[in-house]
Amino acid sequence: RKEVEQDPGPFNVPEGATVAFNCTYSNSASQSFFWYRQDCRKEPKLLMSVYSSGNEDGRFTAQLNRASQYISLLIRDSKLSDSATYLCVVYRGGFKTIFGAGTRLFVKA
Amino acid sequence: GAGVSQSPRYKVTKRGQDVALRCDPISGHVSLYWYRQALGQGPEFLTYFNYEAQQDKSGLPNDRFSAERPEGSISTLTIQRTEQRDSAMYRCASAPSGQGGETQYFGPGTRLLVL
Repeated sequence: RKEVEQDPGPFNVPEGATVAFNCTYSNSASQSFFWYRQDCRKEPKLLMSVYSSGNEDGRFTAQLNRASQYISLLIRDSKLSDSATYLCVVYRGGFKTIFGAGTRLFVKA
Repeated sequence: GAGVSQSPRYKVTKRGQDVALRCDPISGHVSLYWYRQALGQGPEFLTYFNYEAQQDKSGLPNDRFSAERPEGSISTLTIQRTEQRDSAMYRCASAPSGQGGETQYFGPGTRLLVL
């Protein structure tokens, strides 16, 4: 079993839709959590950190559930430009950062 | 300012040859990470440097892989006696403070193809 697991998708949604991704992690000692975005043939870039109390950045909301060991990302009012792969990232101490395989999102006009 | 740069961007080599991949991090960044990314997968951790000290090399697949960062800035990932299974995108990332769990800034990657 992988340490960080994501539904690979793809999620195909129309513009304006709300879409949610989940990610589960297996190491209960994990300390920090992030969502990165990766466009096709580009490098990953930080989308947002995930805080225990949940956090919002514009149309994006991230939640952490430590008891069930999952994090989520909600995108409201999807735009064409949101089409990308969303990588769930877990830092579990030391210097090792674990990336999920990513969830692909396609937003259609 | 300038971001993370990597060279070469593409490298085609024959099986058995050695390759050296270079990473130039953001100026002043303490942390430097190397990852390998296969198609359709997320980046896989290879190794980590804090300044010039290699503090974690647990992700290096075998002893054909090595990395150095001798002056705490530019880093080189070397693969000796390349094999076809080494073909992948190799990415480096840097981070400012040397504290775990901080934002990482990725370079554009080096796509390696071993024939």
